[in-house]
Amino acid sequence: DAKTTQPPSMDCAEGRAANLPCNHSTISGNEYVYWYRQIHSQGPQYIIHGLKNNETNEMASLIITEDRKSSTLILPHATLRDTAVYYCIVRVGGNYQLIWGAGTKLIIKP
Amino acid sequence: DAGVIQSPRHEVTEMGQEVTLRCKPISGHNSLFWYRQTMMRGLELLIYFNNNVPIDDSGMPEDRFSAKMPNASFSTLKIQPSEPRDSAVYFCASSLTSGYQETQYFGPGTRLLVL
Repeated sequence: DAKTTQPPSMDCAEGRAANLPCNHSTISGNEYVYWYRQIHSQGPQYIIHGLKNNETNEMASLIITEDRKSSTLILPHATLRDTAVYYCIVRVGGNYQLIWGAGTKLIIKP
Repeated sequence: DAGVIQSPRHEVTEMGQEVTLRCKPISGHNSLFWYRQTMMRGLELLIYFNNNVPIDDSGMPEDRFSAKMPNASFSTLKIQPSEPRDSAVYFCASSLTSGYQETQYFGPGTRLLVL
């Protein structure tokens, strides 16, 4: 079973920041938070991951709360091409298993 | 790098036929994964190879499914005989397993339709 909870869908206006929440209240100290997305008809695409510090890369920022029970993926300037299903996954360090939930369907509107 | 390469991209076959899906992982990666995705069940891990050795095949549905990795640059997933319920998108992913952090990179998938 997925160890994360995400809203099933969200809308965001093009050009605005998209903030995707994820709850992982049972996360353990050695579990990382990973975000992937899947654009229609494509393979899942890695976005970002983190353990306890906030992380930023060219695609997005990941904000993890101090208690690590929730996180937010931020797409700073959403474009229509960011329309996709976004998956939040917690993964034990050193474990290959990714447990996929249903994700959040993000729709970017013009 | 070209990323993970899968072939064919689409396959339509009749029930009872043998189907072979192919995957070329990213050069230098030492782990390879086969996944299946359906609307009903989402993404499921079928099998995991590390250094060309199958480590976990607990997700393989039944004996009709088999997977091989003869070398570091090639893997196959075979279904024999195929059934309509095998219709799905099959993804191959690869990663470089190094310590605690490991990122899986996915191929474009093979869309299989069994009539």
